[in-house]
Amino acid sequence: DAGVIQSPRHEVTEMGQEVTLRCKPISGHDYLFWYRQTMMRGLELLIYFNNNVPIDDSGMPEDRFSAKMPNASFSTLKIQPSEPRDSAVYFCASQAGRNEQFFGPGTRLTVL
Amino acid sequence: GDSVTQMEGPVTLSEEAFLTINCTYTATGYPSLFWYVQYPGEGLQLLLKATKADDKGSNKGFEATYRKETTSFHLEKGSVQVSDSAVYFCALRPYSGAGSYQLTFGKGTKLSVIP
Repeated sequence: DAGVIQSPRHEVTEMGQEVTLRCKPISGHDYLFWYRQTMMRGLELLIYFNNNVPIDDSGMPEDRFSAKMPNASFSTLKIQPSEPRDSAVYFCASQAGRNEQFFGPGTRLTVL
Repeated sequence: GDSVTQMEGPVTLSEEAFLTINCTYTATGYPSLFWYVQYPGEGLQLLLKATKADDKGSNKGFEATYRKETTSFHLEKGSVQVSDSAVYFCALRPYSGAGSYQLTFGKGTKLSVIP
């Protein structure tokens, strides 16, 4: 069975560029989460969706970050414009109801 | 709000040593408790869980017991292997309420096991 799929796995971009990270959750899962992981801050929840609707975006650092979930099988996290301090590993995770949360392999973002 | 505190790492052990990683939590009511493991270059994966007081979660030789009286969920393994080298995260999920579908994670403890 395919797990949570994220693309790209690695992204290197220059400051000021737009970055789009993609996630395909496990089929049938109704919750989707976006996290950011850094050495300094650890694992931070950015936003989560239920049935494609954003429920809590209080973790989104600022207006440069936006997330969408146009359908049950796809979500994007966009950073525009990107800054060096956005360099991190970004994880997508999905779960069915209050069951186990499954994580994707992550996207390692480097902003030069 | 809810929070999870786990021991700072890194922790370095010799193969076959006994492992304890401490985890305490602050939450109202009876949250569910989890340990996740992250191997190098991978996402987090569930290692074990416990949903009520005195429950013991176990998997792959790891164990943790939900202690309501001490608000703790310490991870233990009797004999670690090199393949256990990873980062371990303690997490909780509230029993009910608006946040009861999301996890609150500790900062993670990096374990290195040397031959």
